[in-house]
Amino acid sequence: ELKVEQNPLFLSMQEGKNYTIYCNYSTTSDRLYWYRQDPGKSLESLFVLLSNGAVKQEGRLMASLDTKARLSTLHITAAVHDLSATYFCAVDSETSGSRLTFGEGTQLTVNP
Amino acid sequence: GAGVSQSPRYKVAKRGQDVALRCDPISGHVSLFWYQQALGQGPEFLTYFQNEAQLDKSGLPSDRFFAERPEGSVSTLKIQRTQQEDSAVYLCASSPLGGHSYEQYFGPGTRLTVT
Repeated sequence: ELKVEQNPLFLSMQEGKNYTIYCNYSTTSDRLYWYRQDPGKSLESLFVLLSNGAVKQEGRLMASLDTKARLSTLHITAAVHDLSATYFCAVDSETSGSRLTFGEGTQLTVNP
Repeated sequence: GAGVSQSPRYKVAKRGQDVALRCDPISGHVSLFWYQQALGQGPEFLTYFQNEAQLDKSGLPSDRFFAERPEGSVSTLKIQRTQQEDSAVYLCASSPLGGHSYEQYFGPGTRLTVT
């Protein structure tokens, strides 16, 4: 059974600081996804990482994938209040069929 | 173009009632997924359709849950004899092609509260 673990689950940081969210998964994966969810809203796709060593950046967020370590990171640079949300990583693989398996989510609060 | 839409957005049901939740995927999308998201948790897979065929229903938690997509577009998730543990947000997602490893686009969800 594919398992996905995120840490930390809760993150409170000050504006202007940097931090990294980690996503570990248990079996070989084909793709790794990062989503953002605002309270009461649906999931917004941030990044799709397709291969080992993939790195993608959008604004203050950068995601990377190490398939050998089964690890993805979401790095936040110079955080701003607008980044406050819950961030999920999700994985799919041939063995799990077409479903996405999600981590528990990291609730990020950026304080002024 | 329009994204995935779901209705109703909010549903309150008394324990024991039946409910039906609707999903309109992005036009032309082959694959449709249902997920259940409990408060403070990540979404969990319920079932998957490719066109009208339900290819995976292994995530449905009990035989009270039933999903259909008779014409390969709109899908309905039905929950019979609702229980309090069914309270959650039900998310629908669609993707353009069949098979795994294609990006899924999520709808706004239906928040179900069973009292």
